Amino acid sequence: DGGITQSPKYLFRKEGQNVTLSCEQNLNHDAMYWYRQDPGQGLRLIYYSQIVNDFQKGDIAEGYSVSREKKESFPLTVTSAQKNPTAFYLCASSRLAGALNEQFFGPGTRLTVL
Amino acid sequence: GENVEQHPSTLSVQEGDSAVIKCTYSDSASNYFPWYKQELGKGPQLIIDIRSNVGEKKDQRIAVTLNKTAKHFSLHITETQPEDSAVYFCASHNAGNMLTFGGGTRLMVKP
Repeated sequence: DGGITQSPKYLFRKEGQNVTLSCEQNLNHDAMYWYRQDPGQGLRLIYYSQIVNDFQKGDIAEGYSVSREKKESFPLTVTSAQKNPTAFYLCASSRLAGALNEQFFGPGTRLTVL
Repeated sequence: GENVEQHPSTLSVQEGDSAVIKCTYSDSASNYFPWYKQELGKGPQLIIDIRSNVGEKKDQRIAVTLNKTAKHFSLHITETQPEDSAVYFCASHNAGNMLTFGGGTRLMVKP
């Protein structure tokens, strides 16, 4: 059963702590993406990766970091430098990078910083 | 950079009625416009898309129209059903070869 998994579904952290969100795909896709979703603001691109060991900043990369050591995995770390980290985070993948390739989304992780 | 505005932010219709969601974009070079549907507790899923060489595209009860001169595109859902209730996002292909998303429309179909 192919798809994208994100874990955990809900995550609570104290202010000042780094936290890592997991994203795994078994679709054999080259490209992976992280988006942040806030009410009324749609999806905003944090980071994307076109291929293993490569990643690029999106529109709102400040306070976040990523790695792409394996094709299947693209974890996102929300650092203490992110001023307003409470949000819904979505991971996506596509066969190739770029807007013309359909993106498949995971179910998301809701992060709440207390 | 590209800016995508989406209206309305919420839309309530009676089952069987039509629903229309509208988006405008700013970059005249944009040439690809997908629509995503996000059901409660799930990630968005592509439901239909249109490219700039086409003015309209239909898939059963959903259709998308594109006016490149005016830089706007719309999603039309006919004969709405309760399962159409979801948040819908439009998006536009931007200069960075990524997608810029609209703010979303929460559609509620009342039985």
